[in-house]
Amino acid sequence: DTGVSQNPRHKITKRGQNVTFRCDPISEHNRLYWYRQTLGQGPEFLTYFQNEAQLEKSRLLSDRFSAERPKGSFSTLEIQRTEQGDSAMYLCASSLTSGGGYTDTQYFGPGTRLTVL
Amino acid sequence: AQKVTQAQTEISVVEKEDVTLDCVYETRDTTYYLFWYKQPPSGELVFLIRRNSFDEQNEISGRYSWNFQKSTSSFNFTITASQVVDSAVYFCALSEASGYGGSQGNLIFGKGTKLSVKP
Repeated sequence: DTGVSQNPRHKITKRGQNVTFRCDPISEHNRLYWYRQTLGQGPEFLTYFQNEAQLEKSRLLSDRFSAERPKGSFSTLEIQRTEQGDSAMYLCASSLTSGGGYTDTQYFGPGTRLTVL
Repeated sequence: AQKVTQAQTEISVVEKEDVTLDCVYETRDTTYYLFWYKQPPSGELVFLIRRNSFDEQNEISGRYSWNFQKSTSSFNFTITASQVVDSAVYFCALSEASGYGGSQGNLIFGKGTKLSVKP
C-alpha cells in the first residue's frame, strides 16, 4: 500500500493562469476528498467523491474551481484564472467507506503547495 | 453548527516533559467522530486516532493517550515523556455521521497546536 500521492508537490503560477493538481488515492479506497489549508489554519473541506460521483461541495469551492474523478480512480482539481488568495496547500485524502453510518478514517497525501504571484 | 476549538496556539516543552493538547468541540449530532492528526514540518497529515461518540473509554498507545469526556465536549491528547520527534502541529477534527453511507465526509478541523520539543 503506497498511500495517497499528489502531484505536483509545488506549483508557482502567475495570477490569471489555470492550474491543475492530481491526486492518486489508496487503491481500494472509494472516497476521495479535497481540502485547502492556508498558513496557520487547519484544513478546510472543499469537496468529495464517492467513486466517480461528486457528492458534496463546500461554498469555498467557487465557480473557478472544478474537480473530477473519472472512473473513480485518480482525481484532478483545476483552478481557473488563479488569484493571489488561492495560494494555499491543497490536500487530498481518501477513505474506504462500507456504509451503514460508519465513519472511516481519511488518509492524507503530502499536499500540493500553490503560490500565485 | 460544528466547531472545533484548540485554544493553545503554540506550546514549547523540554524533552521528557509531559504535555497535554486541548480540544473542545461543538456539534448537535448524537453520533459523531473525533480525530487527531499530526502534521510534521514535511506537511503530510498523519492519522493518530479515531474515536466515536459512543466510546468514552480513554485510550493509550505507547507514549500517547487520549481523554474523551462528553460532559465537557473535550477530547484531549497527552504525550508522555515528549521527544524532539514529537515536534509538529497537531490537529483535532470532528466528523458527523448522518444517513446511509455514514459520514458525509466533512472533517471539521481546529486551527491546530504547534508543539515544539527542545532537547
